Amino acid sequence: QVQLQESGPGLVKPSETLSLTCVVSGVPMTDYYWTWLRQPPGKGLEWLAYIYYVGATNYNPSVEGRVTILQDTSRNQFSLRLNSVTAADTAVYYCAGGEVAGGLYIAAWGQGTLVTVSS
Amino acid sequence: QSVLTQPPSVSGAPGQRVTISCTGSSSNIGADYDVHWYQQLPGRAPNLLIYGTTSRPSGVPDRFSGSKSGTSASLAITGLQAEDEADYYCQSYDSSLSGFVIFGGGTKLTVL
Repeated sequence: QVQLQESGPGLVKPSETLSLTCVVSGVPMTDYYWTWLRQPPGKGLEWLAYIYYVGATNYNPSVEGRVTILQDTSRNQFSLRLNSVTAADTAVYYCAGGEVAGGLYIAAWGQGTLVTVSS
Repeated sequence: QSVLTQPPSVSGAPGQRVTISCTGSSSNIGADYDVHWYQQLPGRAPNLLIYGTTSRPSGVPDRFSGSKSGTSASLAITGLQAEDEADYYCQSYDSSLSGFVIFGGGTKLTVL
């Protein structure tokens, strides 16, 4: 059973870089498309990026250019970096494991971590 | 503004059947891409409810079912229970510039 745990600062200043890490346990890194999503307070879900174990990545066009997803298979973890953050980036950030069946879907979710962008 | 459109809210009494619609376009649901559904209980992370339009993960009751027709999809919940009160999101893929993973805006289900 896959388990995912996010970690990172809960508060980031405007214009700085948001960095989060997700530790994967219970499955090998080859099993899923490792994914980051977010949910602003009181709003809906937004996919940000995914990475496959071979290193292939895809990004949401809405954040492409500001976002980077990386993986460290030796440490069973993957990470998110979001540059030049503003208050609009305040959200609960979820790391997740995606599978493909008629398109990518999210089979496993972390508990989420709230990141607030404020000075 | 979400690429997939869901009603903001639906409601039903215990034991009743409710449906939640998810309307897309010719570049996503209408292009024959699958639809997936998630349930998000208050204060919790979302949980996969339906994948591949009609398949249920292990552990999801058969009271939940999914379907698709044209540019729309639906989630049906029969035998409504109090614990079904949650937010529900549909998700698919879009072949335009919207991105590989697109969500509906979510529907709040209230059990009366």
